[in-house]
Amino acid sequence: AQTVTQSQPEMSVQEAETVTLSCTYDTSESDYYLFWYKQPPSRQMILVIRQEAYKQQNATENRFSVNFQKAAKSFSLKISDSQLGDAAMYFCAYFTGANSKLTFGKGITLSVRP
Amino acid sequence: GAGVSQSPSNKVTEKGKDVELRCDPISGHTALYWYRQRLGQGLEFLIYFQGNSAPDKSGLPSDRFSAERTGESVSTLTIQRTQQEDSAVYLCASSLRLAGDTQYFGPGTRLTVL
Repeated sequence: AQTVTQSQPEMSVQEAETVTLSCTYDTSESDYYLFWYKQPPSRQMILVIRQEAYKQQNATENRFSVNFQKAAKSFSLKISDSQLGDAAMYFCAYFTGANSKLTFGKGITLSVRP
Repeated sequence: GAGVSQSPSNKVTEKGKDVELRCDPISGHTALYWYRQRLGQGLEFLIYFQGNSAPDKSGLPSDRFSAERTGESVSTLTIQRTQQEDSAVYLCASSLRLAGDTQYFGPGTRLTVL
């Protein structure tokens, strides 16, 4: 069974600084997708970034980028120039067509200090 | 509509009562998912629908839980004889197709069972 591990329950970053959130996963599949979702206190899950496993190039979306290490089964999220609005829970998630569902990590609470 | 909508936003019920939660997916999205999120936890998959295919009910925690979807439109999640452990946020998501497409989430229904 696939598992997603987010080992850090909380992190804090100074506004305008850079922070990296870690995520590892376990799978025997070769074709899958990885996601980072943000959940602010409003509880709306918002897609941050998406990575297709067959693509070697790391996905980027403005201030957000990933470090995808397929062999190590690692998928970390880097947030550059952190803003107060980045404060939220961040979930790493894995999807494979074999079971057609998103498997989520337990999440990490990110706080941003002004 | 612009996004996934869910109703009600909040539901308080007494133990033993039945509840029905509703999800309106994004128009044109053929895949629809239900997840449960207990306080401070990640999301647990419950069920998904893909077009007119038989739904994958593998995540439903007990036979008190059921869900329906008519075609590619509205879905309802029904919990019969609610228990206190059913208290959680129930999130619905939809995607264009199935394999790896981004899932867009609704704001969720917070269910409290007294």
